Amino acid sequence: EVQVVESGGGLVQPGGSLRLSCAASGFIFNTYWMSWVRQAPGKALEWVADIRQDGSETYYVDSVKARVTISRDNAKNTLYLQMNSLRVEDTAVYYCAREVWLGDRYYYMDVWGKGTTVTVSS
Amino acid sequence: DIQMTQSPSSLSASVGDRVTIACRASQSINTFLNWYQQKPGRAPKLLIYATSSLQSGVPSRFRGSGSGTDFTLTINSLQPEDFATYFCQQSYTTPRTFGQGTTVGVK
Repeated sequence: EVQVVESGGGLVQPGGSLRLSCAASGFIFNTYWMSWVRQAPGKALEWVADIRQDGSETYYVDSVKARVTISRDNAKNTLYLQMNSLRVEDTAVYYCAREVWLGDRYYYMDVWGKGTTVTVSS
Repeated sequence: DIQMTQSPSSLSASVGDRVTIACRASQSINTFLNWYQQKPGRAPKLLIYATSSLQSGVPSRFRGSGSGTDFTLTINSLQPEDFATYFCQQSYTTPRTFGQGTTVGVK
């Protein structure tokens, strides 16, 4: 079965750090871009970051740049999101998703995990 | 950043209704537009990619159309399992922005 499973969420104080993990199975992990998408309580989806198959390219939303690092370990079929200097507004469910690129700029996210909850509060 | 604006934010409908959700981009995105469905407490599910291509396993009552800045998701003959929130997303450039969502509720 093709799936991704997130872990690592929890309660952290403002200014703290957290590392999220996403374990992939059922597909050839190192052939796909991967992404993180978050959703604050009652809010819309927000794309956070994505990473190329070999980790050589990464992209971020401006609100997390310089505080967040996306990375992957293809030997472990695992995606990571290192989050530093966390803010209250980073509170959200964080989803890991597989990206499918069709060519040109056509891409979509077709496999999603159930998410892991990050709560930033004092 | 490209802003994606959906309308309406919510609507009420009955089983069997035809439902239309609009998504407007702040600049032209050609046909680089996807639609996702999300039910409460669940992960999003891909419905349509590249404006009008139906993801495998998605019922044919879902239809996407549009180009440039204006896009539409149509659900023909709404079914009980279709009550959910729908998000559009552009894949034209980073950041890969989503619309704010449209919730389809029971009339």
